[in-house]
Amino acid sequence: SQQGEEDPQALSIQEGENATMNCSYKTSINNLQWYRQNSGRGLVHLILIRSNEREKHSGRLRVTLDTSKKSSSLLITASRAADTASYFCATAFFQGAQKLVFGQGTRLTINP
Amino acid sequence: DVKVTQSSRYLVKRTGEKVFLECVQDMDHENMFWYRQDPGLGLRLIYFSYDVKMKEKGDIPEGYSVSREKKERFSLILESASTNQTSMYLCASRPTGGFNEKLFFGSGTQLSVL
Repeated sequence: SQQGEEDPQALSIQEGENATMNCSYKTSINNLQWYRQNSGRGLVHLILIRSNEREKHSGRLRVTLDTSKKSSSLLITASRAADTASYFCATAFFQGAQKLVFGQGTRLTINP
Repeated sequence: DVKVTQSSRYLVKRTGEKVFLECVQDMDHENMFWYRQDPGLGLRLIYFSYDVKMKEKGDIPEGYSVSREKKERFSLILESASTNQTSMYLCASRPTGGFNEKLFFGSGTQLSVL
């Protein structure tokens, strides 16, 4: 299966700490995307990293991609209570058109 | 900003009913998708559509059908609802399906089949 696997499944940290989530996948990709889902709502796109990129930043988010290890990590620095959500990685590959396959997600809880 | 609107936030139906889930996007996107989300299983693709009147099966199409008569609207149909179709249903869209495009999601419909 192409599906990404995320680690850990759940993470609980104190406000102000950094949170790191990991995503592993099995086959070649065009890009890897991270999404956030607040409880019971739809997903919101956070950041996209292309297969020829190694690191990307967006505000307090830092994403790395290691295609040799087929893995990616999402770092949220200086976490806030509002960061409490589920985070999903999605791997994109081309099969007639770009197809996205989502991982099972990491549930992040930020404790005040 | 792109807006993807799902017609119902919560829906309760009885086994055997025909159920329609509606999704509308306002940015002239060509591609639209229906996913279902279940605890521990992540998002699974049910059906997608590259353009009006075009549809393709995703990973779990059994028990579902779709309709796309207009570009902005993509409907998911449960022909005869069953309890194992109780789930969160998410609609998404994207411009053309080209490289490096992101998905825009609706807020989801939590469907309970009793």
